[in-house]
Amino acid sequence: DQQVKQNSPSLSVQEGRISILNCDYTNSMFDYFLWYKKYPAEGPTFLISISSIKDKNEDGRFTVFLNKSAKHLSLHIVPSQPGDSAVYFCAASVVAQKLVFGQGTRLTINP
Amino acid sequence: DAGITQSPRHKVTETGTPVTLRCHQTENHRYMYWYRQDPGHGLRLIHYSYGVKDTDKGEVSDGYSVSRSKTEDFLLTLESATSSQTSVYFCAISEYSYNEQFFGPGTRLTVL
Repeated sequence: DQQVKQNSPSLSVQEGRISILNCDYTNSMFDYFLWYKKYPAEGPTFLISISSIKDKNEDGRFTVFLNKSAKHLSLHIVPSQPGDSAVYFCAASVVAQKLVFGQGTRLTINP
Repeated sequence: DAGITQSPRHKVTETGTPVTLRCHQTENHRYMYWYRQDPGHGLRLIHYSYGVKDTDKGEVSDGYSVSRSKTEDFLLTLESATSSQTSVYFCAISEYSYNEQFFGPGTRLTVL
């Protein structure tokens, strides 16, 4: 039973435009959400997180939105750059519990 | 970057042989984790540790064991490797259980 789902295996976006990556979850007890970015042959790197008491968190070009009623999380990247091409994983946890990861979305930024 | 190393980085072995992967950290973080990454499954937790000699099972622990005798080292052992354990293995660390984890570079394991 996949508690965290990323339904789009891949996404292609033109350089300079907005990239929107989506994530859905089923466990209403999740209260902390994270996005990780992964390049080939490297480990995932932490990108941005959000607590369930917030509905938005920004860090430079990256913004994460949380819609608790819809159990939906999204990551916006504006503007998209070639270096953003990577696999993105969303993850969720209940406080003091283990992270549960989605399957990942491969983002390709086209020049 | 968090100081996490994994060894070996690549390994090819045969079915039925024992394999041990090592994770070493220099951050003195309490929590350490082993994940495997497979296409279509994302990252799945195998085992984790919340202190020296304190470990617990994750989502996909069958066929794996772990040991942590020092804060800085977390070992993952496949007692008798099978082809289904061909995967990329990542170690991660975190200072607290509820915040972001930092990942090592990964070990690509192939079981023939």
